[in-house]
Amino acid sequence: GAVVSQHPSRVICKSGTSVKIECRSLDFQATTMFWYRQFPKKSLMLMATSNEGSKATYEQGVEKDKFLINHASLTLSTLTVTSAHPEDSSFYICSASEVLASTDTQYFGPGTRLTVL
Amino acid sequence: RKEVEQDPGPFNVPEGATVAFNCTYSNSASQSFFWYRQDCRKEPKLLMSVYSSGNEDGRFTAQLNRASQYISLLIRDSKLSDSATYLCVVNGGGSNYKLTFGKGTLLTVNP
Repeated sequence: GAVVSQHPSRVICKSGTSVKIECRSLDFQATTMFWYRQFPKKSLMLMATSNEGSKATYEQGVEKDKFLINHASLTLSTLTVTSAHPEDSSFYICSASEVLASTDTQYFGPGTRLTVL
Repeated sequence: RKEVEQDPGPFNVPEGATVAFNCTYSNSASQSFFWYRQDCRKEPKLLMSVYSSGNEDGRFTAQLNRASQYISLLIRDSKLSDSATYLCVVNGGGSNYKLTFGKGTLLTVNP
């Protein structure tokens, strides 16, 4: 159980285009999903917390107008990188929290590797 | 002080060796602690949660010292398949489910 999928797994795009990444919890409902970014040989950095039916909460330094997050259902959250530039090239990973009474374990999707040319 | 600080590594050990990873965290309000492993170019996968009483899962033993804000992971009889980056992960405390990741420690187990 607790499987999270992400789509696409890899994207190569031209500078200036927008890229949408989907994150789905396959066998559980996730009221909260998280979006992370990881640069090579660096730790995962939380970008934003996505709550179903409400606006996402962005971490300091993350532009909300550049990284649009929509959490329309209990099993789907999307991250759109708008007007992508080469510096946005990174590994984007989502996680979903199966909020039970006694655990806040997060389960991670397989990640999306974005390359902006 | 970094929020979550780990041994910088890398660790290179022979098969069968015992290896220990150390981690310290700065947020005294943190209540949940985890070790994740991350293979190259893959997502992190939960290895084990860490409890105050210490817990063991096969060859893996995790310890937590709240007073020192210190977490450890011990791997006994290491296997080639244990080669990965080990991430120390801490939550924000209270109802804050946000996780903070350490930079990770790379382990390579050699035949």
